[in-house]
Formats: sequence, structure tokens, C-alpha cells
Amino acid sequence: SQLAEENLWALSVHEGESVTVNCSYKTSITALQWYRQKSGEGPAQLILIRSNEREKRNGRLRATLDTSSQSSSLSITATRCEDTAVYFCATAPDSGYNKLTFGKGTVLLVSP
Amino acid sequence: GPKVLQIPSHQIIDMGQMVTLNCDPVSNHLYFYWYKQILGQQMEFLVNFYNGKVMEKSKLFKDQFSVERPDGSYFTLKIQPTALEDSAVYFCASSLGQSNERLFFGHGTKLSVL
Repeated sequence: SQLAEENLWALSVHEGESVTVNCSYKTSITALQWYRQKSGEGPAQLILIRSNEREKRNGRLRATLDTSSQSSSLSITATRCEDTAVYFCATAPDSGYNKLTFGKGTVLLVSP
Repeated sequence: GPKVLQIPSHQIIDMGQMVTLNCDPVSNHLYFYWYKQILGQQMEFLVNFYNGKVMEKSKLFKDQFSVERPDGSYFTLKIQPTALEDSAVYFCASSLGQSNERLFFGHGTKLSVL
């Protein structure tokens, strides 16, 4: 079973619209991270939200965390074509050395 | 921003040969990682490395795999001998701290084992 996974395989929106990607996880965590991976590149961290935080913002990005339901969401407002990428949530065990478990990712396509 | 460089971007080798993947991590980072991503699948943790030692490794990190960072130079992943199922994109990452830290990833090395 996956320790972290996104709930939708793919999303398609038009530029300027808002979109939300959801993720669920199965283990106890101290933090959850959202990454974005563009074609031909490695993942880039967008937001790290800790277990004592309910919401975190970074520009047009907003992440939420609900530890009771073990779920998180990443919302992007005013999407741009360059937001087209695969979005992953990732978790790591409470102890250890950043041994991240990635979900399968949600493909986001933003069209003009 | 800080960058992790991976060399080469693509490597093609025959099954049974040895291959070394090179990674130039962010200069002041102390923790180093390799992840493996098979096309269309999720990225999976292979190994992390700190202070000259492997700290954790996954079941994917077979006996044929080894990592080292001699004298603070490239952080390398060596596979000897390679197998067909080793074909994948290998991502190197580094971080400043130990846990719940931002990982900086390279662009990956695509390894094709024929």
C-alpha cells in the first residue's frame, strides 16, 4: 500500500482558473511536503507543512493539512501555463533521514 | 537558487556492464540521496548518505549498488553489474539538514540498460 498518494491522476484547467490537488497518507507524520516536477526535470519543493500547522501559503500556492483525516491539499490560484507539471505529495517517517515516500502524482495541464 | 547537477543526463550501457552516475550536490549540503523513477511510476527512495556513510537504504538498493563521495567530490551511484530492470531515471538530491528538510533534486540521469 502506498504511504502517500494523490487522489486524482490528471487535471486540466484553463489559464487563470484555480485548481486543487488532494493527497492522502497512511503514516504518522511530522510534516508533509508538496513537490512539482516539470518534464525533464527533478522535483522541486513547493511547500513543507508541519503537523502542527493547518495551512501554509507560498505566493499563489496554499497547502492545507488535516491530520485527523490524514489528508492534505494544494491549491493553486490564477494558474499559468508554466504551472503545467506533475504534483506530488511526499511524507517522511517521524525519525530518520528524509526518506521521502512520494505519491504517484497528479498531472496538471494548464492550457491557454 | 541552489542547484544539484547530474552527469550525464543519459547513459546507455549493455547489461552486465558497470555504470557510475555522478552528482554534484549543493555545496554546503551534508545529506545526499538517490531516488529511482521508472517511466510512469512514482519516485522511490534508494539510499541516503551522510558523513561518508549510508544511513538508510531501501529494498531497491541491491547488493550491486554502492554509493560514495570521496573527498567531498561527486556523490556517485555505482551499479555493478547492471541488469535490465535497472533501466530508469535516477535522481540525486541533497539537503542541509537531517529530517523534514527541503530536498534539492537534480534533473536526473536516464539509464538505459540494453
